[in-house]
Amino acid sequence: GENVEQHPSTLSVQEGDSAVIKCTYSDSASNYFPWYKQELGKGPQLIIDIRSNVGEKKDQRIAVTLNKTAKHFSLHITETQPEDSAVYFCAASRGSNDYKLSFGAGTTVTVRA
Amino acid sequence: DTEVTQTPKHLVMGMTNKKSLKCEQHMGHRAMYWYKQKAKKPPELMFVYSYEKLSINESVPSRFSPECPNSSLLNLHLHALQPEDSALYLCASSRDGGGDTEAFFGQGTRLTVV
Repeated sequence: GENVEQHPSTLSVQEGDSAVIKCTYSDSASNYFPWYKQELGKGPQLIIDIRSNVGEKKDQRIAVTLNKTAKHFSLHITETQPEDSAVYFCAASRGSNDYKLSFGAGTTVTVRA
Repeated sequence: DTEVTQTPKHLVMGMTNKKSLKCEQHMGHRAMYWYKQKAKKPPELMFVYSYEKLSINESVPSRFSPECPNSSLLNLHLHALQPEDSALYLCASSRDGGGDTEAFFGQGTRLTVV
């Protein structure tokens, strides 16, 4: 099955700085890569996703890059704000043929004011 | 309305009790999911319902019994649980069962088995 590794497990950044979280996956058939943000006491919320036919996607301060050859994808958050503090999970799936999302272990991001 | 609503938010139950978790969505989604999440861990898939039929059971013990009465509702019936079953139980839904459609999560039910 798919194995998704996520690093780092914790990340502390100064407000206004950038944060980068990296994930690698093992299944070359995976073609959908969402990122979820989970705040304390809440369920995960999709913040951005990317499909294998795209190398980069951006939404305001958040961007995701995908390198299919190397089987890794990254989340970039620029101009971090205190409300970005949360646990972030990357995930991978085979897309429309597979219900299952394989999650990374999560990264706890703390933005220092 | 892009909400998945779960009740109750918190539940404490004894090992001999029977209880149910409920999940509701009104987005017209045809796939619904139960996940289990332990502290500081990612969600683990338990069950998937697609078009009101159980399509995936991730080898979950029979003390957990899912039910999908209609396309908007999903229940998880609990019986004879163990303390190690204490966790956050998350319900999610997506437009269809394809793994490349956005999954919307509820805020979860925090379950404690005593």
